[in-house]
Amino acid sequence: QVQLQESGPGLVKPSETLSLTCSVSGDSIRSYHWSWIRQSPGKGLEWIAYIYSTASTNYNPSLERRVRISLDLSKNQFSLRLLSVTAADTAVYYCARDLAVAGQKYYFDQWGQGTLVTVSS
Amino acid sequence: DIQMTQSPSSLSASVGDRVTVTCRASQAISNNLNWYQQKSGKAPKPLIYAASNLQAGVPSRFSGSGSGTDFTLTISSLEPEDFATYYCQQSYSIPWSFGQGTEVEIK
Repeated sequence: QVQLQESGPGLVKPSETLSLTCSVSGDSIRSYHWSWIRQSPGKGLEWIAYIYSTASTNYNPSLERRVRISLDLSKNQFSLRLLSVTAADTAVYYCARDLAVAGQKYYFDQWGQGTLVTVSS
Repeated sequence: DIQMTQSPSSLSASVGDRVTVTCRASQAISNNLNWYQQKSGKAPKPLIYAASNLQAGVPSRFSGSGSGTDFTLTISSLEPEDFATYYCQQSYSIPWSFGQGTEVEIK
């Protein structure tokens, strides 16, 4: 059974960098796409980015200038960095696995429990 | 970007009712449409992928249909554990995007 667990600070100051890590157990991260998704009361669910084991990435254009996603194959982890945060970045952040089925149709089949990040001084 | 619009935003229903939630895409997305259920304080849980395929372990009272721009999630007979918020999500083109959610409440 695949399990995902987010970790990182729950409080970040405005203009600083939000950094989160997703630890994956029960499967190798080599074979799938891995995504970050966030949920805030004002904007609902928002896909942020995904990364594949080749380190190929894709970003939401609305966040692309401020987002960096990376992976550590040796630790079976992938990470998110969101630069220059504001209060609008306050949200629950989820990591998830993008599973491809039936010819490149993707869906999020495994999710972490989510971690609340608050941006405040 | 593809916009996903769900209707209604919320509904009240009773145990045993048949419930239908609609999702409309701003452009055709073939059958690249997924449905999730979310309960308070929990991560979304996949129900249906590729418009009509039931995720393993999900009860058969859940079903999905549609193609192109219009999609439907149906719960054939509502159970107490089905009271939750439901989201559609397109995986046709980047950026992946979600509907705003439909909250199913107890009447």
